[in-house]
Amino acid sequence: KNEVEQSPQNLTAQEGEFITINCSYSVGISALHWLQQHPGGGIVSLFMLSSGKKKHGRLIATINIQEKHSSLHITASHPRDSAVYICAVRLYSGGGADGLTFGKGTHLIIQP
Amino acid sequence: DTAVSQTPKYLVTQMGNDKSIKCEQNLGHDTMYWYKQDSKKFLKIMFSYNNKELIINETVPNRFSPKSPDKAHLNLHINSLELGDSAVYFCASSRENRYEQYFGPGTRLTVT
Repeated sequence: KNEVEQSPQNLTAQEGEFITINCSYSVGISALHWLQQHPGGGIVSLFMLSSGKKKHGRLIATINIQEKHSSLHITASHPRDSAVYICAVRLYSGGGADGLTFGKGTHLIIQP
Repeated sequence: DTAVSQTPKYLVTQMGNDKSIKCEQNLGHDTMYWYKQDSKKFLKIMFSYNNKELIINETVPNRFSPKSPDKAHLNLHINSLELGDSAVYFCASSRENRYEQYFGPGTRLTVT
């Protein structure tokens, strides 16, 4: 079982709909990242969270450390939001550099 | 003024060959990473470098070796390439290990 689980794996919605993507993890973490991978393959960091909630434009990310759960919301979705959204965690460690552990991604398609 | 750049973008080679992928960042970051994205689009950490010191190495075959001539570069050398090495390789960097990561555009490696 992957340490980071995302749901749904695939999501198709109509333009304007409110989108929620969920991420659950089973290990202790020091931070959680939401990434966006465009159809062309490039990866962009959307948020890094260690607690609470962050908002950037139409995107909102929340995290509940006690429940080991995070959500990414997209308001007023648009076809240009179509991409793969990836949840990744940085595992808690005593020090040093850590890479990210990734979920399998949510493939989002927004239809006009 | 690309933040994280990788060369080449595409690399096609035969089994048994030795190849290198270069990564450079102009963000002044002190931590760099290599990730592998397999055919199922799943990302996995390979290496991270902090201040020219290899911090982690996640069950990667010793045919893979990162080389960091300075803080701005982390190159990936691969010896005796195998079919299973075919994947997209992403370089990334961050300011220390506690901040968001910036990804390069990826290098698609195809081993025939």
